[in-house]
Amino acid sequence: SQKIEQNSEALNIQEGKTATLTCNYTNYSPAYLQWYRQDPGRGPVFLLLIRENEKEKRKERLKVTFDTTLKQSLFHITASQPADSATYLCALGFSGGYNKLIFGAGTRLAVHP
Amino acid sequence: KAGVTQTPRYLIKTRGQQVTLSCSPISGHRSVSWYQQTPGQGLQFLFEYFSETQRNKGNFPGRFSGRQFSNSRSEMNVSTLELGDSALYLCASSPPGTSSGELFFGEGSRLTVL
Repeated sequence: SQKIEQNSEALNIQEGKTATLTCNYTNYSPAYLQWYRQDPGRGPVFLLLIRENEKEKRKERLKVTFDTTLKQSLFHITASQPADSATYLCALGFSGGYNKLIFGAGTRLAVHP
Repeated sequence: KAGVTQTPRYLIKTRGQQVTLSCSPISGHRSVSWYQQTPGQGLQFLFEYFSETQRNKGNFPGRFSGRQFSNSRSEMNVSTLELGDSALYLCASSPPGTSSGELFFGEGSRLTVL
């Protein structure tokens, strides 16, 4: 069956450390993968997009990798801050799918001072 | 530039009623997508409209419908409400000329069905 799995447990890290979130998928062939941040009671906010032919993307303190062989994406936040505490969602997109995304359940990140 | 605006933000209905939710996309955005978010199922795609045409649809029953107007504003309707329809309904718009689906979400309409 098709599924997307993110770290099921909340991730607790110390301020200044690097947070690494995983997104694994089964029986999908995405053309691209996106990461969103969602704060309680708010809509998701787009962070990064990586295409199937790209290995790595960076934006400021954020880095995402995409391994289509392992069917996995890793999302890193370096020098994490308490303000980075939120739920992070990965989403798969497909050729010809227009703006239909398949979302994972999300990983809750808590950065402690 | 104003973001995606959804109304109402909160509403309470009873089983069997119907509800209409509204979404105004970012100016210039012609694609509007709707998603349902629940604690159990997460974010699930409902449908997408572009230039007043539905161009993609998720796996929801026919009680869920939508439409888009010539000014790109969109509405979704849920008829014969069930308890399980309680959720956060999120609308998202996408800029023209993109094929990769970067979405700009609104704050959502939280529907409670009693």
